[in-house]
Amino acid sequence: QKEVEQNSGPLSVPEGAIASLNCTYSDRGSQSFFWYRQYSGKSPELIMFIYSNGDKEDGRFTAQLNKASQYVSLLIRDSQPSDSATYLCAVIGRGSTLGRLYFGRGTQLTVWP
Amino acid sequence: GAVVSQHPSWVICKSGTSVKIECRSLDFQATTMFWYRQFPKQSLMLMATSNEGSKATYEQGVEKDKFLINHASLTLSTLTVTSAHPEDSSFYICSARGGTTNTDTQYFGPGTRLTVL
Repeated sequence: QKEVEQNSGPLSVPEGAIASLNCTYSDRGSQSFFWYRQYSGKSPELIMFIYSNGDKEDGRFTAQLNKASQYVSLLIRDSQPSDSATYLCAVIGRGSTLGRLYFGRGTQLTVWP
Repeated sequence: GAVVSQHPSWVICKSGTSVKIECRSLDFQATTMFWYRQFPKQSLMLMATSNEGSKATYEQGVEKDKFLINHASLTLSTLTVTSAHPEDSSFYICSARGGTTNTDTQYFGPGTRLTVL
């Protein structure tokens, strides 16, 4: 069983702050890692993906991967009220040929003005 | 790039009828398409995985005769909910795996909200 764990939150930060979202996964051989954002009543949208250990930055978002600790995180700098959503961590497990994603339950983020 | 559409975006039907939902990858060929269901305030639940020209692989507990999936081409997959009942009312979301930047990435369609009366 491939498990992906996230703090369910809710996480509440003030506008302009850094929001830190965390995710751990059980399958040590997992190969690809994704962060999606889902607004209430909408479908998930991709924020970014990361494969290699270290940091990957895209605008205000930074994904961090530590395969040794089986840990992946997402930092949102200069948080805005429009960032308020549920953030989903997803993992492709070892040996997956079809690319099935295993999702965490999501962390609900609220950015207050 | 990497846009996935779904049609219809919402549908209301009577109990016992069948409903077809289309999922299209508009600007890329999808190696694999996935169908999810999501109930209010719950997590995404994978229903099935499909490849073009092959039979879909259903998750445990999902009735393949009730949720018919046809993956006709590399850009089109359809989900038919047969003999729908009120308990089938949910948010159905497809995703397509592919794109130009990373072929492992799944891009989600906007979803179809099904209400069965």
